Amino acid sequence: NAGVTQTPKFQVLKTGQSMTLQCAQDMNHNSMYWYRQDPGMGLRLIYYSASEGTTDKGEVPNGYNVSRLNKREFSLRLESAAPSQTSVYFCASASQETQYFGPGTRLLVL
Amino acid sequence: GENVEQHPSTLSVQEGDSAVIKCTYSDSASNYFPWYKQELGKGPQLIIDIRSNVGEKKDQRIAVTLNKTAKHFSLHITETQPEDSAVYFCAASMGGYQKVTFGTGTKLQVIP
Repeated sequence: NAGVTQTPKFQVLKTGQSMTLQCAQDMNHNSMYWYRQDPGMGLRLIYYSASEGTTDKGEVPNGYNVSRLNKREFSLRLESAAPSQTSVYFCASASQETQYFGPGTRLLVL
Repeated sequence: GENVEQHPSTLSVQEGDSAVIKCTYSDSASNYFPWYKQELGKGPQLIIDIRSNVGEKKDQRIAVTLNKTAKHFSLHITETQPEDSAVYFCAASMGGYQKVTFGTGTKLQVIP
């Protein structure tokens, strides 16, 4: 099992560009999550999907959109990147309460 | 919503000493409290968890305690080793598929 995989590992964008962060899990989990991690801020929830076909906003959803493509895949889209979105992005999936995290995507917006 | 505070933000201990990280939560409905360890360049990984019907849980050198009345819980690592050096996050949720709220993290450095 690969667990939770994320692509790309690292990305540099210019302000105003768009991109999609991809996440996939092979553990047959119903729930999936997107977090951002910033120094001193911990992990903040952007969006989550409790099950296939549903998505809900988390703590910091502004500037992001998500798609739960199927049970395995949950993507995060930045339509018009801003420097404030420079961060490390983690995807997670969950079986009941336990969350399993991917390796992260480091995003730099210039 | 839930608010989780975590202290200290950094902690340095000598190898073999104990380390304690403390967290408080605000929502009395929270009943599940996991702890995650994040090594450099990796995603967080669950190391231990506790539910509100239990006061203490141990797993080898790691233990977690929960005081529901005071709304605080702590992680205790005994006989620390260099490989314990990492960032540790506490979290709280209402269990099941509910959202998890994380603390801001503690960077633990174990000095050989």
